[in-house]
Amino acid sequence: EVQLVESGGGLVQPGRSLKLSCAASGFTFSNYYMAWVRQAPKKGLEWVATISTSGSRTYYPDSVKGRFTISRDNAKSSLYLQMNSLKSEDTATYYCARQGQLARDWFAYWGQGTLVTVSS
Amino acid sequence: DIVLTQSPALAVSLGQRATISCRASESVRSSMHWYQQKSGQQPKLLIYGASNLASGVPARFSGSGSGTDFTFTIDPVEADDIATYYCQQSRNDPYTFGAGTKLELK
Repeated sequence: EVQLVESGGGLVQPGRSLKLSCAASGFTFSNYYMAWVRQAPKKGLEWVATISTSGSRTYYPDSVKGRFTISRDNAKSSLYLQMNSLKSEDTATYYCARQGQLARDWFAYWGQGTLVTVSS
Repeated sequence: DIVLTQSPALAVSLGQRATISCRASESVRSSMHWYQQKSGQQPKLLIYGASNLASGVPARFSGSGSGTDFTFTIDPVEADDIATYYCQQSRNDPYTFGAGTKLELK
């Protein structure tokens, strides 16, 4: 069974940093693209970042490019999201998601999410 | 960015058919996917590539369309289907989602 468990969320002040983690199990982690998707309170879904199987390629929307960094440790079956210069609009539940093996088209499995609140 | 437009809500009766539309601001070919999100839960993939049923998803769910106009159908609707449904495109970066359609009971 595919399991994705996020951690690291919490309350952080604007301008500060936070690092999220996602522990994966139930599949060969190194064979899949992985991603982060967020959802602001009572709002819709927003793709945040994707990383290739080896970690050599990363993809971001403009809203987080230059502030967020996605990374992975295939030996530990873990995914990370380093978030710097946080803004109030980054407040959201952050989901770890598994994408495809050869492509990053859809988000096949999702974790339960971890809540990040950016506020002074 | 490609904008995906969905109706905000749809009211249906149990046992009837529910049809949710998603219109893209430009062609996404068949790179459209559908998710279900129940209250307080994470999203779940239902349909990928416009019309392919994800693993373990009941055949009551289906998808169709290509280019800019897509349809997601539940037939028949069951009580467990009450949720918000999102479309998502993967034709162009950044990948974008529709605002969601909340399925409600009449």
